[in-house]
Amino acid sequence: AQSVAQPEDQVNVAEGNPLTVKCTYSVSGNPYLFWYVQYPNRGLQFLLKYITGDNLVKGSYGFEAEFNKSQTSFHLKKPSALVSDSALYFCAVRPTTSGTYKYIFGTGTRLKVLA
Amino acid sequence: DGGITQSPKYLFRKEGQNVTLSCEQNLNHDAMYWYRQDPGQGLRLIYYSQIVNDFQKGDIAEGYSVSREKKESFPLTVTSAQKNPTAFYLCASSIQGAGHEQFFGPGTRLTVL
Repeated sequence: AQSVAQPEDQVNVAEGNPLTVKCTYSVSGNPYLFWYVQYPNRGLQFLLKYITGDNLVKGSYGFEAEFNKSQTSFHLKKPSALVSDSALYFCAVRPTTSGTYKYIFGTGTRLKVLA
Repeated sequence: DGGITQSPKYLFRKEGQNVTLSCEQNLNHDAMYWYRQDPGQGLRLIYYSQIVNDFQKGDIAEGYSVSREKKESFPLTVTSAQKNPTAFYLCASSIQGAGHEQFFGPGTRLTVL
């Protein structure tokens, strides 16, 4: 079965420190990869995506993500965390198999940035 | 939350009642989706539609129904057959094609009394 794993329910980091939120996937072929952020009682907001090309993708609000094909991972990173980055982060995968129209989401990682 | 609106923001339902959640988008997107979000379970796909007058069941369609009569509208009905409907419901849309991100509405929180 195709799946996306976010192994950490919560990540705590001090403000100003680098942060990493992990994502691995089990999907055949070469899927497209996405990160979203959700603030309390709100919808998800798109941060960045990997389609092809450079393994390091830059997105909104200073976030970036590193694609690693051999490890089937797509970890979200930021060089210096802000308290306002505290939110719920979702990794999503879109298989490119013909006839597939679904996005597969991880269970989410809650990021807490401590002042 | 972009060009997708969901209403109402909060909805209370008595057991045995059907309720309809509204989702409207002005992004001219062909594809629309309904997700259910429960704590610790991420997003689970209820229904999706790639084009007007066509839709497919997602992973947890039982107890739900949808229609897609207009490109901009994709309402979700939570029927009395849904055993545990209390949840946060999210609507999303996207351009057709696998490389495009989804745009999400602000959500509707449904509570069964």
